[in-house]
Amino acid sequence: AQSVTQLGSHVSVSEGALVLLRCNYSSSVPPYLFWYVQYPNQGLQLLLKYTSAATLVKGINGFEAEFKKSETSFHLTKPSAHMSDAAEYFCAVNQNTGFQKLVFGTGTRLLVSP
Amino acid sequence: DAGITQSPRYKITETGRQVTLMCHQTWSHSYMFWYRQDLGHGLRLIYYSAAADITDKGEVPDGYVVSRSKTENFPLTLESATRSQTSVYFCASSGTGMVETQYFGPGTRLLVL
Repeated sequence: AQSVTQLGSHVSVSEGALVLLRCNYSSSVPPYLFWYVQYPNQGLQLLLKYTSAATLVKGINGFEAEFKKSETSFHLTKPSAHMSDAAEYFCAVNQNTGFQKLVFGTGTRLLVSP
Repeated sequence: DAGITQSPRYKITETGRQVTLMCHQTWSHSYMFWYRQDLGHGLRLIYYSAAADITDKGEVPDGYVVSRSKTENFPLTLESATRSQTSVYFCASSGTGMVETQYFGPGTRLLVL
C-alpha cells in the first residue's frame, strides 16, 4: 500500500522566513500527490496537487512543491512566511485504485512568530 | 448555500448510545468520504461511497455504519458509541477521477463519555 511520511510534527519559522515542510512517499508506481491545509476549527482545503504534468507545482497562497522521483519526495515550500500561514499541513497520496482514495500523512503544524 | 455541510458541529454522548453524523453536499459529486482525525494519526478513511447505494469500507470501518440513499447525503452512524470513537469527523466529496480535488466539510467534534 502507498503511504506518505511527514517529517516533523511541528515546524516553527519567523515571519518572512522560508517555509519548508517535508513529505516523502512510498510508491511502486508514479503517484498522484496532494498538499492540503487545515486552519483552526476548519476542514481541509487543497493547496496543490501533482498529476505528472510538471514536477514543480504552484498552489494557492504562494506555496509550491517539487516532485523529485529520485528522492521520493514532494516537499512544500514558500519563500516568505506570513502570520496567516499558521495552520496544519497534510501531505496525501492517491492509492491508484481508479478513483481518488487518499492516504494522508500525520500532518505538520506550522507555527509563525512575528 | 452551496458546498458541503456537516451536522451537528459538536456532540457529546455516552458509551453505548447510537449517534448519527450528517453530511450534505450540493455539487452532485459522485464520491463521498468519511474520515476521522486523531492526534498522531492524521486523517483515516472510515467509509466511502461511489454513488447512491454504493458504499465500501476504508481503513477503520469497525463500529460504524453508512448509507447513501440520495447522492447528496451520506450519514455516518455509530451504532454503539465507545470512548475510542471520540474524535473529529470529516466528510468530503469529489468528482470521479484520480486527481479530483476532495472538498471537506467543517467537521464534527464528537466526545464519547
